Amino acid sequence: AQSVAQPEDQVNVAEGNPLTVKCTYSVSGNPYLFWYVQYPNRGLQFLLKYITGDNLVKGSYGFEAEFNKSQTSFHLKKPSALVSDSALYFCAVRGHYGGRQGNLIFGKGTKLSVKP
Amino acid sequence: EPEVTQTPSHQVTQMGQEVILRCVPISNHLYFYWYRQILGQKVEFLVSFYNNEISEKSEIFDDQFSVERPDGSNFTLKIRSTKLEDSAMYFCASKQTGNTEAFFGQGTRLTVV
Repeated sequence: AQSVAQPEDQVNVAEGNPLTVKCTYSVSGNPYLFWYVQYPNRGLQFLLKYITGDNLVKGSYGFEAEFNKSQTSFHLKKPSALVSDSALYFCAVRGHYGGRQGNLIFGKGTKLSVKP
Repeated sequence: EPEVTQTPSHQVTQMGQEVILRCVPISNHLYFYWYRQILGQKVEFLVSFYNNEISEKSEIFDDQFSVERPDGSNFTLKIRSTKLEDSAMYFCASKQTGNTEAFFGQGTRLTVV
């Protein structure tokens, strides 16, 4: 069964410091991996995705993520955190289902808190 | 920038009543989805819709739920007889092709009392 794990409920960092939000996955076959961000009372906004190609993927707002097949991980990173990055971050995976349209399977989310 | 729009933003309904949640996906998208997020929990897949039919549904999507694309623009989720446990944020999403990312609407907060 496809699954996504986000081991941390909350990550706290100081503004200007690097941040990492962890994600590991379990799928059969090659995964399609995504990060979404949810600000309070808002919908999910797409940040970045890994389909194929370079293991380091760059996305919106200075975020990037590294796909590591051997560790089945797709950690979200940013070199210098901003207070405005404080939000709920979701990792998601879509496996290959043949003819099926591939819904997203989400992790439980990690709350990122960036303090001034 | 095109976006997925959902109406209403908040709906309060009495247990047992029917509700219809409405979504306007991005115009050139072909795949449509409903997800829900119970307060404090993860986002869960409900149903996907492609080529005017349901292509996949989760165990949550039982006979009380139905989806429709009545015209070329709207995509609706109907809950026939709401239960207290249906209270959640419901997100509509759409995407252009199989390998692209899904774009989500702002959500409809459904409160069943």
